Amino acid sequence: GAVVSQHPSWVICKSGTSVKIECRSLDFQATTMFWYRQFPKQSLMLMATSNEGSKATYEQGVEKDKFLINHASLTLSTLTVTSAHPEDSSFYICSARDWASGGNEQFFGPGTRLTVL
Amino acid sequence: GQQVMQIPQYQHVQEGEDFTTYCNSSTTLSNIQWYKQRPGGHPVFLIQLVKSGEVKKQKRLTFQFGEAKKNSSLHITATQTTDVGTYFCAGTPYGTGFQKLVFGTGTRLLVSP
Repeated sequence: GAVVSQHPSWVICKSGTSVKIECRSLDFQATTMFWYRQFPKQSLMLMATSNEGSKATYEQGVEKDKFLINHASLTLSTLTVTSAHPEDSSFYICSARDWASGGNEQFFGPGTRLTVL
Repeated sequence: GQQVMQIPQYQHVQEGEDFTTYCNSSTTLSNIQWYKQRPGGHPVFLIQLVKSGEVKKQKRLTFQFGEAKKNSSLHITATQTTDVGTYFCAGTPYGTGFQKLVFGTGTRLLVSP
């Protein structure tokens, strides 16, 4: 099946710094990727839809200047958490859909655990 | 906004017992998907249902999509310890094409040997 990777798998940073998370589709092209946030023992909350070559579509309540998304190629999307604060600590997961296969399911990356001190 | 609730939030069963999780959406869905997330892991796709009243089976798992396309259920027969994890339903609201998914609140299943 389709494989999605994320890097880094975990990161600890100081308050006020920025953190970049990469999401790659390894064996397929993904024109659309999705970024989710998950708090412990809670559901996945969609943050934004990342579209290759165009601006991301953010969900209501998600600050686009805080969470910068760039989808510069068909296999890579990045999420940058700018000026991170402790409340940004969370599990960030990306997913992608393999449109070429005709399937509708989303393939998830392993996630990135962000801790802001 | 769009809400997808699941009940129960948590269930602890003995191995061999059956388990069911129910998923209810505040609005009509064009399709419903089910995912399983093991502790410490990421969601893994199980199945998709598209048609009203559709029922699909995967070995011990039975999935159902309601007639009104606003609810769904997942039933596991004779649970095993490998079934441990959180089960999420996720729906695509009508009008969004086949783009985004709205995830349910999840049901965490614990199976004791």
